Amino acid sequence: DAGITQSPRHKVTETGTPVTLRCHQTENHRYMYWYRQDPGHGLRLIHYSYGVKDTDKGEVSDGYSVSRSKTEDFLLTLESATSSQTSVYFCAISDNPGSRLYGYTFGSGTRLTVV
Amino acid sequence: GENVEQHPSTLSVQEGDSAVIKCTYSDSASNYFPWYKQELGKGPQLIIDIRSNVGEKKDQRIAVTLNKTAKHFSLHITETQPEDSAVYFCAAIGVSGGYNKLIFGAGTRLAVHP
Repeated sequence: DAGITQSPRHKVTETGTPVTLRCHQTENHRYMYWYRQDPGHGLRLIHYSYGVKDTDKGEVSDGYSVSRSKTEDFLLTLESATSSQTSVYFCAISDNPGSRLYGYTFGSGTRLTVV
Repeated sequence: GENVEQHPSTLSVQEGDSAVIKCTYSDSASNYFPWYKQELGKGPQLIIDIRSNVGEKKDQRIAVTLNKTAKHFSLHITETQPEDSAVYFCAAIGVSGGYNKLIFGAGTRLAVHP
């Protein structure tokens, strides 16, 4: 997927446990995003990053935190997983040159099940 | 902020027929509208996009139209084939916190029957 890798691809975890999902890119893109995909809701933005150590919240950020210590890695953490966080999580990258005209490249997704 | 609505949520057509998916957006300042195709078990992939200075764009069997006055845009697939079966997402630019982000519609599941 054009130099973007998500890990793990699948994970089952118990309610209340912490979970970290990883997004790794080899494209040296500045912008990285975490979305969740749920039936009837499409893709909803959780958090995004516009540079190393620069992150901001999206529309569904409650219960999630992120970190970006290197250009290539963007981590999504569920501090205490709940069943409502069962979803498919997608990472996306963009090289946005400052223009409003750009597109994303998505990873293959992580299917997370919280039991 | 930007809001994108997409219809229909499911669409079933016979092979060879045309398929149309429609989206509306709320932010009149948006000027970039991509369409993504998601096949089973994969991430969404960009298939076509349109910018606000263009009313229509074609790429082989797919085309996108944009009506900025009405704030809606559509995806047209002609001569559909079974491999067109997938989930399609429209999106529009939203700006908050000073940075551009794509806001997605809820998706349309297209089924093309042989």
